[in-house]
Amino acid sequence: NAGVTQTPKFRVLKTGQSMTLLCAQDMNHEYMYWYRQDPGMGLRLIHYSVGEGTTAKGEVPDGYNVSRLKKQNFLLGLESAAPSQTSVYFCASSSRPGATDTQYFGPGTRLTVL
Amino acid sequence: AQSVTQPDIHITVSEGASLELRCNYSYGATPYLFWYVQSPGQGLQLLLKYFSGDTLVQGIKGFEAEFKRSQSSFNLRKPSVHWSDAAEYFCAVGLFGNEKLTFGTGTRLTIIP
Repeated sequence: NAGVTQTPKFRVLKTGQSMTLLCAQDMNHEYMYWYRQDPGMGLRLIHYSVGEGTTAKGEVPDGYNVSRLKKQNFLLGLESAAPSQTSVYFCASSSRPGATDTQYFGPGTRLTVL
Repeated sequence: AQSVTQPDIHITVSEGASLELRCNYSYGATPYLFWYVQSPGQGLQLLLKYFSGDTLVQGIKGFEAEFKRSQSSFNLRKPSVHWSDAAEYFCAVGLFGNEKLTFGTGTRLTIIP
């Protein structure tokens, strides 16, 4: 039982390049989340999903897209990376709405955009 | 709008000393309250949570937190810290039926021998 895994762990991009971050969970959770963590700002929600085939915007969705084609996977895409997207990205999942249930976090992806 | 405040950015405590990390929230209703811990280079892990009932909540690793409605606070405590408690601690708040959790900005805990 791996819990929540994230791929890759580290990535360096040049401005304008694109990439996809993959999150996978093996707990059969309905809810999945993408956060970014920046110094002094805590975690901010980018997008989330309440089930397979659904996505919704969070607090800071601009510049990101997501897809949830399979229940166990939640992909975060950057179409044209900008230096402001340099951050640590965390994926999380929960069996019930995340505001009232335990969220299980992945180990994070450290992204640098030059 | 809902908000969570952790007034202490960084706290340094001697090993074996007691610890209290502060968390204040601003909500219209009684929220769901969480404390998460993030060890260096890792993701977040739940320490404890409060939904209702007894206002003193016990968590993992010897931590506890007390919900005080009159002060809109949910402070985290530990009677005796260990070097392994060095980490960043996040308070988080949510509302029933909502998918989104609001995190505080975190408190970094340093333990000195």
